[in-house]
Amino acid sequence: AQSVTQPDIHITVSEGASLELRCNYSYGATPYLFWYVQSPGQGLQLLLKYFSGDTLVQGIKGFEAEFKRSQSSFNLRKPSVHWSDAAEYFCAVGGSSGCSNYKLTFGKGTLLTVNP
Amino acid sequence: DGGITQSPKYLFRKEGQNVTLSCEQNLNHDAMYWYRQDPGQGLRLIYYSQIVNDFQKGDIAEGYSVSREKKESFPLTVTSAQKNPTAFYLCASSTTSEQPQFFGPGTRLTVL
Repeated sequence: AQSVTQPDIHITVSEGASLELRCNYSYGATPYLFWYVQSPGQGLQLLLKYFSGDTLVQGIKGFEAEFKRSQSSFNLRKPSVHWSDAAEYFCAVGGSSGCSNYKLTFGKGTLLTVNP
Repeated sequence: DGGITQSPKYLFRKEGQNVTLSCEQNLNHDAMYWYRQDPGQGLRLIYYSQIVNDFQKGDIAEGYSVSREKKESFPLTVTSAQKNPTAFYLCASSTTSEQPQFFGPGTRLTVL
């Protein structure tokens, strides 16, 4: 069964500092990987996705993520955080074969607080 | 503008009542999904549908029902059998297996 672990429940950074949010996944075949962001009381917005190819993926709002198969990780990074980045971030893994194509498994999320 | 709409945004229900949450998309997506979100729990899949007139149970389908009579619509009914229905419900859609899911704004259901 596929699973996702986001080890950090809550992270606080200062505005302008760099950010790395961790994500580890478990999946038996080639995974599809996603990062979503959610503001309070809102739906989820897709930041970036990895399906294949270049392991460094660029997304919206200046975010990037790196797929490391050997470490089963897909960490999200941003070189300089803005106050508007404060939100909850979710990593998700999907399948690449069969019915699991349509099923995403989400991590429990990392809440990001940005200090001025 | 293409997107996913969910209504209502807030919903209150008395114990023992069934309630139906609406989800409509005009993205021409084949697949649609319902998730439940509880604080600190991430998202859990309730039901999903790959095509019209077909749907599959997700990880927490007990106490819920769905229908998919039209490509654009995937309503979720929370029945009285759902023991703890108070939660934030998110609907999503996608084209094929190789495309990400796009989410609606959510409905917050509170059982009084």
